[in-house]
Amino acid sequence: GAVVSQHPSWVICKSGTSVKIECRSLDFQATTMFWYRQFPKQSLMLMATSNEGSKATYEQGVEKDKFLINHASLTLSTLTVTSAHPEDSSFYICSATIYSQLNTEAFFGQGTRLTVV
Amino acid sequence: KNQVEQSPQSLIILEGKNCTLQCNYTVSPFSNLRWYKQDTGRGPVSLTIMTFSENTKSNGRYTATLDADTKQSSLHITASQLSDSASYICVVSAGDSNYQLIWGAGTKLIIKP
Repeated sequence: GAVVSQHPSWVICKSGTSVKIECRSLDFQATTMFWYRQFPKQSLMLMATSNEGSKATYEQGVEKDKFLINHASLTLSTLTVTSAHPEDSSFYICSATIYSQLNTEAFFGQGTRLTVV
Repeated sequence: KNQVEQSPQSLIILEGKNCTLQCNYTVSPFSNLRWYKQDTGRGPVSLTIMTFSENTKSNGRYTATLDADTKQSSLHITASQLSDSASYICVVSAGDSNYQLIWGAGTKLIIKP
């Protein structure tokens, strides 16, 4: 089946630095990718929709200047957490969706555990 | 308002036993319903996906049912194994142009030996 690869799987960074997370669709082209954040014991929360070749669409309450999304190709979307702070520590997950006339199927990356110290 | 509610919030059962997880939704227009398994610290993995016309779908020891009239779904796990310990999330896709995914809060399942 379709595979979405996310890198890195975990990262520890100092407060004030920036961290880039990559999300790749390995065997299909994804014009749209999604970025989620998950806090402990909570479900996934959609942060933004990443569109290839255009600006991302951010959910209400998500700072677009803090969470920079770039979707430069049909197989790669990146999320950069700028000037990270301890409250940004979370589990970040990307997904890509295959659309068809009959159905849609979402595939998820392995997730990235970000810890800001 | 589009919503997905799951019950129970958490469940502990003994290895080898069966269990059923519930999902109620109010999503319109409805496109499909998915069940995901999420291990701690990992991304969700798809178990089943069902469209409006499908009543049941199986994936090994996992069997999902869908009642589109009552807007309810269940995930039945038979002969549970220790590796089944995870969160199980019900996700409903809205049939609009954005293919919005509406996420349930998940059921935390713990299998004890």
